[in-house]
Order: sequence, then C-alpha cells, then structure tokens
Amino acid sequence: KAGVTQTPRYLIKTRGQQVTLSCSPISGHRSVSWYQQTPGQGLQFLFEYFSETQRNKGNFPGRFSGRQFSNSRSEMNVSTLELGDSALYLCASSLTGEGNTIYFGEGSWLTVV
Amino acid sequence: GDSVTQMEGPVTLSEEAFLTINCTYTATGYPSLFWYVQYPGEGLQLLLKATKADDKGSNKGFEATYRKETTSFHLEKGSVQVSDSAVYFCALTLVSGTYKYIFGTGTRLKVLA
Repeated sequence: KAGVTQTPRYLIKTRGQQVTLSCSPISGHRSVSWYQQTPGQGLQFLFEYFSETQRNKGNFPGRFSGRQFSNSRSEMNVSTLELGDSALYLCASSLTGEGNTIYFGEGSWLTVV
Repeated sequence: GDSVTQMEGPVTLSEEAFLTINCTYTATGYPSLFWYVQYPGEGLQLLLKATKADDKGSNKGFEATYRKETTSFHLEKGSVQVSDSAVYFCALTLVSGTYKYIFGTGTRLKVLA
C-alpha cells in the first residue's frame, strides 16, 4: 500500500514568488492535513480538508491556502513568499480526520532566498 | 487551549541505556495520544498510540501509558540502540471537532555506541 506522496521534495524560490505543493494521500484516506515544520516553531497546523471542504485552519496569514480534489489529492499554495516561509511542509492523511491516526509524507523542503 | 509539553532535549545516552522522554498534555476534551519519530531528512512516522486512559501503546521496544490522572504519556525504552537516534514528538488529537493534531516541540535523542 503506497504511503503519502509529496511533490516536489525540494525547491528553492525567490522572495515574492508563489509556490504550489502537492500531496497524494494513502488510498482510501479522505482527510488531508498540512503542517509547517521549522526549527523555531516546531510543527504548526496549517489546515485540514475532507471531501473537498476545509474543516479547520491554523493561525497562518491568508497567503497560505489549500484545496482538495475529488480524488482526495491536495495542494497547498503560498503566495508572495517571505524568507520566514522557509520550512519543511508536511502533508498527512487519515481515514476521516476525526481522531484517526494520521500518516505523514516525507515533506517538501522549501527554501526562500 | 489544548497543548502538549515535552522535555527539552537533546538527550544523549549510551547504547543499552534506559530511555524516558516526558510528555504532559492539557486538553479540553478527551484526547487520543501519540508518539511520532522523525529520522534525519524524513517525515514523521507513527511510533505508538493510545486512545483511552490506562491504555499502553508499544512498538519496537518503546512503550507509553496513557495516564489521565497525571495527564501524561511518557515514552520509555529499556535498552536504546544507535539506530534509535532521532527526534521524538508527542502529540494529541481530540476525537471530534478539531480535525487537527497538536504536537510537542520534539525531543532529540542521540545514542552513542
């Protein structure tokens, strides 16, 4: 059974640009959530989607957005990149998102220069 | 609000030493509790979990018991190996309503041969 797949694994962007990260969940999982990991802030919740609907959102500015498609695949977008957006972005999937175990992808390493 | 507090790292041990990583939580509801492990350059992997009071999660020689009276979920291993060197995260999620996990700051473990 394939795990959570995230693309791209590594990317470098310039301040002011935008970036789109992709996540394919484990087959049968309908909940996808995103986390930002930085050395200073640890793991911070970005948002969660289920059946193409965002059910919860963390305390991030509106530059951070996401969406989920009918096949449960998800994307997140960060516009007008800032140096502080450099981080590991982790996607996780679970069956329903309600107390289930979540399974993480290997993450997308974003560096903003 | 809901939160998880982990002991500060890094923790440095000799091979075959006993490991304890403390984790306490506060939660408005009735959480499920988890330990995740992150190896260098990778995403988080589920290590063990417990969903109700007095449950003991165990995997690969690691154990943690859900203690509701002390709101704790301490991770233990009787004899660590060099391969256990990683960052360990304690986390909670509520069974319903929030659709997100809350993570501790992580504890880096280094095991010396």
